[in-house]
Amino acid sequence: EMLLVESGGGLVKPGGSLRLSCITSGFTFSSYSMSWVRQAPGKGLEWVSSISSSGGQIYYADSMQGRITISRDNAKNVLSLHMNSLRAEDTAVYYCARDVGETMVHGVFDYWGQGTRVTVSS
Amino acid sequence: DIQMTQSPSSLSASVGDRVTITCQASQDITNFLNWYQQKPGKAPKLLVYDASNLETGVPSRFSGSGSGTDFTFTITSLQPEDIATYYCQQFDYLPYTFGQGTKLEI
Repeated sequence: EMLLVESGGGLVKPGGSLRLSCITSGFTFSSYSMSWVRQAPGKGLEWVSSISSSGGQIYYADSMQGRITISRDNAKNVLSLHMNSLRAEDTAVYYCARDVGETMVHGVFDYWGQGTRVTVSS
Repeated sequence: DIQMTQSPSSLSASVGDRVTITCQASQDITNFLNWYQQKPGKAPKLLVYDASNLETGVPSRFSGSGSGTDFTFTITSLQPEDIATYYCQQFDYLPYTFGQGTKLEI
């Protein structure tokens, strides 16, 4: 069974940091690109970041560029998102998603985790 | 960034109805378009990729069509379990962008 399980969310003050993790199983993690997509309360979906299978291609949304770092550990099947300088507008559920692309990021997200909630508030 | 405009934003229909949602891209994205279904409190689910290809395991009452800037998503016979919000998403250009969603109610 394909599983993607996010963790690391929580309540953080403006300007604070969080590290989100996505532990995966049920597929060959090292063969797939991975992405983070977020959803603010009551709002639509917003792509955040993607990383290719080897980590050689990394892309960020402008809204978070410079404040986030995506990484992966192919030995542990874990995707991470380190977020700094968090703002109220970063409040959202953050989903990790598998990309059908292998060596290159493709932009088709075929499996998703259940999400981890990040709340930025004083 | 490419803007994706979905219509309508919400839709009320009856079981057995044919339902159509449209998605317009602000520029030509060829067929680099996906459709996702999101039920309340759940993660999105990929239904259609490359504008018209049905993801494995997705019921055949769902379909997608279109190319260039204009795309359509159709449910041929609405079922109660289809109550959800539907999103289009382009993946021709970074940043990947989603439509604002269409909330489907019965």
